[in-house]
Amino acid sequence: AQTVTQSQPEMSVQEAETVTLSCTYDTSESDYYLFWYKQPPSRQMILVIRQEAYKQQNATENRFSVNFQKAAKSFSLKISDSQLGDAAMYFCAYRSASPKLVFGAGTILRVKS
Amino acid sequence: GAGVSQTPSNKVTEKGKYVELRCDPISGHTALYWYRQSLGQGPEFLIYFQGTGAADDSGLPNDRFFAVRPEGSVSTLKIQRTERGDSAVYLCASSLILQGIYNEQFFGPGTRLTVL
Repeated sequence: AQTVTQSQPEMSVQEAETVTLSCTYDTSESDYYLFWYKQPPSRQMILVIRQEAYKQQNATENRFSVNFQKAAKSFSLKISDSQLGDAAMYFCAYRSASPKLVFGAGTILRVKS
Repeated sequence: GAGVSQTPSNKVTEKGKYVELRCDPISGHTALYWYRQSLGQGPEFLIYFQGTGAADDSGLPNDRFFAVRPEGSVSTLKIQRTERGDSAVYLCASSLILQGIYNEQFFGPGTRLTVL
């Protein structure tokens, strides 16, 4: 079975600085998708960024970028120029051909002003 | 138009009671998903529908849990004989299926279920 591991229960970053959230996963599939979701206190999960495993180029979305290392099964999220609104729980997630998502346990990100 | 909506937002019930949780997906989204998120954990998959039929219900924890989507739109998650361990946030999501490919899942705000 696929598993997703987020080893950082909590991270802090100063406003305007950069932070990296870690994620590793385990799978025997060769074709799959990886995601980072943000969950603010409102509970609504918001997709931040996605990566297709067949793409070598790392995905970027404005201040958010990933470092995808397929051989190492690692998928970290870098947030640049952190803003107060970035404070939330962040989840790494995996899916293969089946659309059901497998989530990690999450990392709480705190942003200090 | 609107995003995924879930009702009620919060539900408190007593052990042994029956509850129904409702999900209204984004209009036109063929796929609908249910996840359960226990305190301090990531969401766990329960079931997903493709149209009216349950395509995969492997995540339902036991036969007290059941979900329906009779007209391919609104879905109801039903829990019989609730137990304290069922307390969690129940998240619903929906997505398009285009040319056999499942697109991005859009989540609702969840229903927080508390079983006393």
